[in-house]
Amino acid sequence: SAVISQKPSRDICQRGTSLTIQCQVDSQVTMMFWYRQQPGQSLTLIATANQGSEATYESGFVIDKFPISRPNLTFSTLTVSNMSPEDSSIYLCSVDFQPGELFFGEGSRLTVL
Amino acid sequence: KQEVTQIPAALSVPEGENLVLNCSFTDSAIYNLQWFRQDPGKGLTSLLLIQSSQREQTSGRLNASLDKSSGRSTLYIAASQPGDSATYLCAASGAGSYQLTFGKGTKLSVIP
Repeated sequence: SAVISQKPSRDICQRGTSLTIQCQVDSQVTMMFWYRQQPGQSLTLIATANQGSEATYESGFVIDKFPISRPNLTFSTLTVSNMSPEDSSIYLCSVDFQPGELFFGEGSRLTVL
Repeated sequence: KQEVTQIPAALSVPEGENLVLNCSFTDSAIYNLQWFRQDPGKGLTSLLLIQSSQREQTSGRLNASLDKSSGRSTLYIAASQPGDSATYLCAASGAGSYQLTFGKGTKLSVIP
């Protein structure tokens, strides 16, 4: 496993603003994943962040709304743009050291007013 | 497309009881099945991973089983403690993909 750190752990934001969430892993990983967990729901994959190339987005998620950076093998950011109350969720960063086994960060709890 | 269901959505048991959490999945051609624990407002902690060639995995008081033919997995918790109170999530991959699909979880409350 690894230590996966996310910042911020929580934030309260105003409608229309943007927030960038950081994810730092203490070892190099090929792929990093961003998930969203809306209140009372399970996890939904937003995108896969690949180092050196554009992120791969899942159906229903677009780059303009959730731009992702992956500058190196230990770090990634997810931005939630032009936020609305419907974006209030826990956003989770995860990595896999072997295919199909995920490890997660502590999550970033976002509330949009 | 893989679908994962966890029933019940919530479970309350007295301390010391043994309990079983259920997970069912629609696509039996899985690579892995993973059980997680999530505390309120927090991230997920991996508990157990069962690969497709395995029938069960054990860690301390936890035992997870996998029956691909029936599309079911169970998480057995022995001698439950109040500290076990959390939401337990099951996630399974689907045919041709390592990507995990998550259930909605079972919220467990262990009453002292």
